[in-house]
Amino acid sequence: QKEVEQNSGPLSVPEGAIASLNCTYSDRGSQSFFWYRQYSGKSPELIMFIYSNGDKEDGRFTAQLNKASQYVSLLIRDSQPSDSATYLCAVNRRNDKIIFGKGTRLHILP
Amino acid sequence: DAGVTQSPTHLIKTRGQQVTLRCSPKSGHDTVSWYQQALGQGPQFIFQYYEEEERQRGNFPDRFSGHQFPNYSSELNVNALLLGDSALYLCASSLSVGLGTDTQYFGPGTRLTVL
Repeated sequence: QKEVEQNSGPLSVPEGAIASLNCTYSDRGSQSFFWYRQYSGKSPELIMFIYSNGDKEDGRFTAQLNKASQYVSLLIRDSQPSDSATYLCAVNRRNDKIIFGKGTRLHILP
Repeated sequence: DAGVTQSPTHLIKTRGQQVTLRCSPKSGHDTVSWYQQALGQGPQFIFQYYEEEERQRGNFPDRFSGHQFPNYSSELNVNALLLGDSALYLCASSLSVGLGTDTQYFGPGTRLTVL
């Protein structure tokens, strides 16, 4: 089982709709969870982090964490063409080593 | 406030050569992590430096080594380059608070091509 798993996509979502990105992780002791956005040829850009079970909202973005199910998700409301990118889920295990998933490619359809 | 900087932006080397990549962390940060990102893959953790020592290491051979200087900047050295070392090398900095909640910010990366 991979440490951090994401569906590689591409995930196609109409402009204005909600994009839902999912991630599962294997280490039950993981303490913090991050979502990064990466445009082609660029470096990852931090979107959100979450530490506690539940939802965390920041503008159009909502991160959801369920530690019992070892599941973290990112919702993007009112999707825009500029949201088209690869979204990387990252998990900080208890030893402070951050493990990344392979990323999900998101394509917002105009 | 300067973010994370890396140099050079691009680099072309041949097999067997050695390369040094450099990173300056974001102001106020004391920890530097290095990642290798192959095309179509997520970043793979190489190692992390804190207080001028290697604190964590991923599954990379000893050909990959690093250093952190008193001003928190860091270098990544790769010896005996292989074709498979061609990748985007990312540096990320963070402020270590020891609670497993450090947030990392990435530099623009160095694109290494090995011919």
